[in-house]
Amino acid sequence: NAGVTQTPKFQVLKTGQSMTLQCAQDMNHEYMSWYRQDPGMGLRLIHYSVGAGITDQGEVPNGYNVSRSTTEDFPLRLLSAAPSQTSVYFCASSYPSTQGGTEAFFGQGTRLTVV
Amino acid sequence: AQKVTQAQTEISVVEKEDVTLDCVYETRDTTYYLFWYKQPPSGELVFLIRRNSFDEQNEISGRYSWNFQKSTSSFNFTITASQVVDSAVYFCALSEAVGSGGGADGLTFGKGTHLIIQP
Repeated sequence: NAGVTQTPKFQVLKTGQSMTLQCAQDMNHEYMSWYRQDPGMGLRLIHYSVGAGITDQGEVPNGYNVSRSTTEDFPLRLLSAAPSQTSVYFCASSYPSTQGGTEAFFGQGTRLTVV
Repeated sequence: AQKVTQAQTEISVVEKEDVTLDCVYETRDTTYYLFWYKQPPSGELVFLIRRNSFDEQNEISGRYSWNFQKSTSSFNFTITASQVVDSAVYFCALSEAVGSGGGADGLTFGKGTHLIIQP
């Protein structure tokens, strides 16, 4: 059971380049989310999806694009990388808990540096 | 909007000391969920505990204990007899009921407390 798999684990980009961070989950979870973690800022929500074909913006969506064509995959696209996007990115998948709310599972993270 | 405050940016203690990490939250919902996560130096997020707003019982798991007080909107985490392996960044998070907004899993994180346990 792989859980939530993020690729790559590390990436260095030049300013202006584009790239896609991959996230795949094998738990058939409805919900998936992308967060970024910056020093002293905690984790902030970028985009999320409550099911295939449905996405919405979080707290810090600018400069990022997402799509959800399948339940399993939720890629995050950087359209034109900027140094301000240097961060650690976490993908999470979750499902409605029988106790209410949701249970979230996090990937291992992708450390992105934009130079 | 929901908010989580972890006022302690960094705490440093000597091994075997007890240490408490503070978490204060704000929400307008009557139904919500509180979490603690651990992020060791390796970087992954490790789930520690989840607490529902309607369950104010404190919980103990080995050296870890959690004190949930709705009256003060706090969900504090205590490590008893700390060990070097407890060194990590600890995040408190809040999630409102599904459908309340705030994302798919609706998690709002505090900024984290960096805990350093010195040998």
